[in-house]
Amino acid sequence: SYELTQPPSVSVSPGQTASITCSADKLGDKYVCWYQQKSGQSPVVVIFQDNKRPSGIPERFSGSNSGNTATLTISGTQAMDEGYYYCQAWDSSTGIGFGTGTRVTVL
Amino acid sequence: QVQLQESGPGLVKPSETLSLTCTVSRGSINSYYWTWIRQPPGKGLEWIGYISYSGTTKYDSSVESRVTVSVDTAKNQFSLQLSSVTAADTAVYYCARITGEFVYFYMDVWGKGTTVTVSS
Repeated sequence: SYELTQPPSVSVSPGQTASITCSADKLGDKYVCWYQQKSGQSPVVVIFQDNKRPSGIPERFSGSNSGNTATLTISGTQAMDEGYYYCQAWDSSTGIGFGTGTRVTVL
Repeated sequence: QVQLQESGPGLVKPSETLSLTCTVSRGSINSYYWTWIRQPPGKGLEWIGYISYSGTTKYDSSVESRVTVSVDTAKNQFSLQLSSVTAADTAVYYCARITGEFVYFYMDVWGKGTTVTVSS
């Protein structure tokens, strides 16, 4: 599968901004989406096509993608935003690839 | 809103074949791609493969020699078969709907997941 690298963990204070990176060679040439997974639950897409939010996802979630790095930004982070976040992209040769996952802790 | 439900044995013996079915309800299996994803205990998400409603498939290279994904449009179901399983195949298995065009494929609907343990 297409390999995407994320930091294992990110800590953020309530109300502050959390940034989660996702890296791969020439990732900016592809579209990236982001999933949130809370404990014991199925993943939920929070960003697709680099920077689009599905209906029902709060405006505090935003995304960008350029060069070798995509970034998910959570502005005004709330306790309910704790969980794991995975980036995902599609490659014509290898198919779907997921990032290694980042645990977000709201301290 | 479309719903997905995985079903199949929760325990499979080593060297045998893991078989799961995903039933699509409150929507049609047509016009979409469908996928299987797994998550080993305490680990991240792993893509297994996807299939179109017309039967076009693509698999991850790590399981390609052992996996078959099929679709039954009459039953509104798609299935996963993974042969010669080992303990490394123990995971929560999710089925999901893929939306978007190829270049921006993403999963917008997920099943609740089913735990499969490989053990004698």
